[in-house]
Amino acid sequence: NAGVMQNPRHLVRRRGQEARLRCSPMKGHSHVYWYRQLPEEGLKFMVYLQKENIIDESGMPKERFSAEFPKEGPSILRIQQVVRGDSAAYFCASSSGQLNTEAFFGQGTRLTVV
Amino acid sequence: GESVGLHLPTLSVQEGDNSIINCAYSNSASDYFIWYKQESGKGPQFIIDIRSNMDKRQGQRVTVLLNKTVKHLSLQIAATQPGDSAVYFCAERTFYGQNFVFGPGTRLSVLP
Repeated sequence: NAGVMQNPRHLVRRRGQEARLRCSPMKGHSHVYWYRQLPEEGLKFMVYLQKENIIDESGMPKERFSAEFPKEGPSILRIQQVVRGDSAAYFCASSSGQLNTEAFFGQGTRLTVV
Repeated sequence: GESVGLHLPTLSVQEGDNSIINCAYSNSASDYFIWYKQESGKGPQFIIDIRSNMDKRQGQRVTVLLNKTVKHLSLQIAATQPGDSAVYFCAERTFYGQNFVFGPGTRLSVLP
C-alpha cells in the first residue's frame, strides 16, 4: 500500500519558468493538502482540496500559484513565473476526510529557483 | 488568525532521559491534535493523536497530554534514543473538513 507519492523530489527552475509539483494521495484518500516549508521553519498551509473542488485556498498567494485535484490523476500545484523566493520544500498530505483522522505526508518536492 | 505555537524552539536531552515537548494552541474550537516527527530531508511522520474529549493518550514510548483549560499540548518521549532526534510539530484541526494548522516546531537533539 503505497503512501503519499510526490514527484519530482527535486526541481530546479530558472526565474520566470513554471514549476509543476505532483502529488498522488494514498489509496482511498480523497482529501489533499499542500504545505510549504522554508529551511528551519514550520509548515505553512497553502491549499486544501477534495476531488475536483478547492475547499480552502486561504494560504495560497493571490498570484502565480494555483492548485487542482482532478477526478482522475494526481493533485498538481502549479507555480508560474517562479522567483527566488519560491524556493522551498513543498509537502503534500492526504487524508480520508473522516472525522479525527490523521493526514499522511509525502516526502516533499524541493524547489530551487536559480 | 488562530495559530499553534511552541514554547521551546530547541531541546537537548541525554540519551535515556525522558523528553517533554510543549505546544500552546489558541483556538479553543480545535478538537483534534496530532504530533508529527520530521527527520532531515523527509516529510512529517505521524506519531500520535488525541481528540479533545481525552486528556491523555499513550503509544509506544510516547504520551500526549491535552489540557484544554490552558490550551496546552505536550508530547512525552520515554527513554529518549538517538533515533528520536528530529523536529517535532504539533498540529491542530478545528473541525471536520478544515485544514491542519502547524506550530513552528521544536528541534530535539539527543546527546550521547
